[in-house]
Amino acid sequence: AQRVTQPEKLLSVFKGAPVELKCNYSYSGSPELFWYVQYSRQRLQLLLRHISRESIKGFTADLNKGETSFHLKKPFAQEEDSAMYYCALRVRGAQKLVFGQGTRLTINP
Amino acid sequence: EAGVVQSPRYKIIEKKQPVAFWCNPISGHNTLYWYRQNLGQGPELLIRYENEEAVDDSQLPKDRFSAERLKGVDSTLKIQPAELGDSAVYLCASSLVEASAKQFFGPGTRLTVL
Repeated sequence: AQRVTQPEKLLSVFKGAPVELKCNYSYSGSPELFWYVQYSRQRLQLLLRHISRESIKGFTADLNKGETSFHLKKPFAQEEDSAMYYCALRVRGAQKLVFGQGTRLTINP
Repeated sequence: EAGVVQSPRYKIIEKKQPVAFWCNPISGHNTLYWYRQNLGQGPELLIRYENEEAVDDSQLPKDRFSAERLKGVDSTLKIQPAELGDSAVYLCASSLVEASAKQFFGPGTRLTVL
């Protein structure tokens, strides 16, 4: 069965510091990986997906198949980055998303 | 565009009572999902519809949960009877039918069972 693990429930960094939110997955095939974000009082929304290889709001994530990881990174954190972040996996050819438990990121001024 | 619409936003009921949640997906989205999110957890899929057909309901507790998507647009998720452990946020999402399509989430319904 597919599984997504986010080892940190809470992460707190200072503004301007680098941020890395960890995500590990277990899946025997070739998955699609996503990061979703939920800002305070807003709905869950897609932040980025690995197949796009894009940088959104300064965030990037690289799929490492050897380590089965998809860590989310940003070199300089901003206060508006404070939110809940969920890593998710989708089995290729299916539409079901499997989410991790989420990490609450707090950026201190 | 209002996005995915859900109602009610909050619901408090006593155990053994029935409850229903309603979802209106984004116009043109053939695929509709119901997720349950327990406190401190990520969302978990309950059921997925393609048009009016439930194509994945393997995680739906069928003894007390039911869902329908008449005419392939709006959907209703029902719990009867509710149990204390059903307290959670129930999320609806929609997408186009293509396998790579992005899912758009609604604001959720927060259910509290007393």
